[in-house]
Amino acid sequence: QKEVEQNSGPLSVPEGAIASLNCTYSDRVSQSFFWYRQYSGKSPELIMSIYSNGDKEDGRFTAQLNKASQYVSLLIRDSQPSDSATYLCAVFSGGYQKVTFGTGTKLQVIP
Amino acid sequence: SQTIHQWPATLVQPVGSPLSLECTVEGTSNPNLYWYRQAAGRGLQLLFYSVGIGQISSEVPQNLSASRPQDRQFILSSKKLLLSDSGFYLCAWSYTPYTEKLFFGSGTQLSVL
Repeated sequence: QKEVEQNSGPLSVPEGAIASLNCTYSDRVSQSFFWYRQYSGKSPELIMSIYSNGDKEDGRFTAQLNKASQYVSLLIRDSQPSDSATYLCAVFSGGYQKVTFGTGTKLQVIP
Repeated sequence: SQTIHQWPATLVQPVGSPLSLECTVEGTSNPNLYWYRQAAGRGLQLLFYSVGIGQISSEVPQNLSASRPQDRQFILSSKKLLLSDSGFYLCAWSYTPYTEKLFFGSGTQLSVL
């Protein structure tokens, strides 16, 4: 079982729609959760972090965490073509003392 | 503000040749430094991390090595490259080991032919 799993996509949404990206993790003692955006050929850029259950909003982005279900998601409202990128889920595990990345979900926003 | 520099941006090397990738961080002291590799269609794989000068931890066995000769300098090396070493290499830093956010350099696309 992969430690951090994401659907590779591509996930295609029309411009202006809500994009929903999902991530599951296997280590129950995971403590910190991150979403990185990576444009093709570029390095990852941190866009959201979340540490406790519930929702965290930052502009058009909302991160959602459910530790009981070992599930973290990222919602992008009013999706723009510039949001087209690969989104990486990253989980810090206190048990393993390391950050593990998922393989990423490719998002395509269609104008 | 803190910045991270990584070079070169692209590199094409023959099998069996040596490798040296360099990364430097500005604007902070005693950063935690990391080397990651991203192969096509795969996630980010942690190769090495360092919490201080001369302190290197290896995550996976391979023909790569890392060194930290100065506080804000991190070098990835190989004596003889393999085809499987091809990938996108990323240097990153953080304030504290793992628990905080990672800040990535611009990456080096390495093609071993």
